[in-house]
Amino acid sequence: AQSVTQLDSHVSVSEGTPVLLRCNYSSSYSPSLFWYVQHPNKGLQLLLKYTSAATLVKGINGFEAEFKKSETSFHLTKPSAHMSDAAEYFCVVTYQGGNTPLVFGKGTRLSVIA
Amino acid sequence: GAGVSQSPSNKVTEKGKDVELRCDPISGHTALYWYRQSLGQGLEFLIYFQGNSAPDKSGLPSDRFSAERTGGSVSTLTIQRTQQEDSAVYLCASSTRARERETQYFGPGTRLLVL
Repeated sequence: AQSVTQLDSHVSVSEGTPVLLRCNYSSSYSPSLFWYVQHPNKGLQLLLKYTSAATLVKGINGFEAEFKKSETSFHLTKPSAHMSDAAEYFCVVTYQGGNTPLVFGKGTRLSVIA
Repeated sequence: GAGVSQSPSNKVTEKGKDVELRCDPISGHTALYWYRQSLGQGLEFLIYFQGNSAPDKSGLPSDRFSAERTGGSVSTLTIQRTQQEDSAVYLCASSTRARERETQYFGPGTRLLVL
């Protein structure tokens, strides 16, 4: 079955320092991978997506993620955290030819300390 | 343009009552999805509609849950005889078509509390 694992339930960083949110997916042919962000009491917003084009994907708000097939990973990074980045982040996978409902990771809560 | 909208934004009901949750997808989007977000289960798929095809109901947790989509646009998720474990945020999403590479756009959700 499709699955995605977010390795950290909570990450805390200082403002201005790099962000790394880790995600691993179950191996399958041609996954599509997404990162969504959810701010408190707000809906889910797409940060970026990988769909078999470039392995380094750039998203909104300075975030990027790299698809590494050999490691079945899709970690989310940002060079310098901003206070407004504090939110819940979800790594999401779906697979070619499968039903297109998304399979969500459990989420990583990012805290940014001033 | 207008995004996905959901109503009501909050709903409090008593155990045993029926509730209806509404979703208005983005105009022109043929695929519509319902998800549930709860503390214990995270985000889980419930049901999806694609055009005039039969919906995929594989994620519905029990026969108390049903959904319909009228005219290929607005969708209603109905929960009959609500239970306390139904308390969650119910999210609707839509996409241009039901393909794995298509971005799903989410509404703000309906927060359901069953007392």
